[in-house]
Amino acid sequence: EPEVTQTPSHQVTQMGQEVILRCVPISNHLYFYWYRQILGQKVEFLVSFYNNEISEKSEIFDDQFSVERPDGSNFTLKIRSTKLEDSAMYFCASSARSLQDSPLHFGNGTRLTVT
Amino acid sequence: GNSVTQMEGPVTLSEEAFLTINCTYTATGYPSLFWYVQYPGEGLQLLLKATKADDKGSNKGFEATYRKETTSFHLEKGSVQVSDSAVYFCALSDRNTDKLIFGTGTRLQVFP
Repeated sequence: EPEVTQTPSHQVTQMGQEVILRCVPISNHLYFYWYRQILGQKVEFLVSFYNNEISEKSEIFDDQFSVERPDGSNFTLKIRSTKLEDSAMYFCASSARSLQDSPLHFGNGTRLTVT
Repeated sequence: GNSVTQMEGPVTLSEEAFLTINCTYTATGYPSLFWYVQYPGEGLQLLLKATKADDKGSNKGFEATYRKETTSFHLEKGSVQVSDSAVYFCALSDRNTDKLIFGTGTRLQVFP
């Protein structure tokens, strides 16, 4: 069964550094998402992306965050200048149609540790 | 705003025991409700969903009924197995948005 793949599985970075988290969604999917989960807290929505643009974003998704689909297969999340509080598990997800009509398929996540 | 509250874990059960994981929600309008499951080392997978009041979602022996009067979507299974050990997330989405709002997750541990 096709799946969403995320790399790396664990990323350690120093505060202030830029990180790029990579995701390969399922190939015929059109909707793409990033969520994150800080240890012990809720899974939180960050951003949704459709038709090559952001369709919705949360308050967390400030100017330090950006997303890109550079080549039609990858979907990346960039954090420009990481802070300690960005340490979390980041989940990429994709779906064939909108959330109401088809399920989200999640990747296994990238654990980001900011020191 | 919209929110989901689910019971804290871990829930520890013996094999073949009855499972209930409580979930209640706060939402304007008529959200869709979901249960996702995360097995160790894997991503979240959709377990079941319900899109309107009194709908019952079911999958792999798990069931949950959309109860508008009590704003609840409790997850139940009649006889759990060791392989059901995982973290279970209740979530909602409203019809005007394309995002899920999750609860904190409940860890289920089933022992033989």
